[in-house]
Amino acid sequence: NAGVTQTPKFQVLKTGQSMTLQCAQDMNHEYMSWYRQDPGMGLRLIHYSVGAGITDQGEVPNGYNVSRSTTEDFPLRLLSAAPSQTSVYFCASRERRGTQYFGPGTRLTVT
Amino acid sequence: GDSVTQMEGPVTLSEEAFLTINCTYTATGYPSLFWYVQYPGEGLQLLLKATKADDKGSNKGFEATYRKETTSFHLEKGSVQVSDSAVYFCALSDYGDYKLSFGAGTTVTVRA
Repeated sequence: NAGVTQTPKFQVLKTGQSMTLQCAQDMNHEYMSWYRQDPGMGLRLIHYSVGAGITDQGEVPNGYNVSRSTTEDFPLRLLSAAPSQTSVYFCASRERRGTQYFGPGTRLTVT
Repeated sequence: GDSVTQMEGPVTLSEEAFLTINCTYTATGYPSLFWYVQYPGEGLQLLLKATKADDKGSNKGFEATYRKETTSFHLEKGSVQVSDSAVYFCALSDYGDYKLSFGAGTTVTVRA
């Protein structure tokens, strides 16, 4: 039981490049979400999904896209990276009213 | 909307000192309350939770009591260790809502 896995662990992008952060969970959780963590701001919700085929925007969705084609996977896409997207990104999953489990994070730097 | 306010850090303590991190919340419904811990270089782990008023969550010597009258969920530990050095996040999830709202986090450093 691997829990929530994220790849890559570290990534450096140039402004304007695109990339996908991968997230997978093996706990059959309905709910998955992406957060970004910035100093002094806690975790802010980017996008979330309550099941395969269903996604919605969180607090800071601009510049990010998501899709949920399977229960297990919830990739986060940066279409045109900007320095303001330099952050640590966490994927999480949970059951309804259950414990939320976090992945180990991806540290992204945009130059 | 829902929000969480927790005391700002950083907090530096000596080993065996008493730790308190204050957390207050605003919510429209009947939230569940959580404390998460993030050790250096790692993701967040659930430390403890409480799902209704007057519940006490506890784990690894940490405790927090859900106080509806003061809308608070303060984290306490009676005797900290160097291994407790981490960032602590207070969070809430409103009833029926999948989403978590986080406080800004409090960095705690424990010196030997």
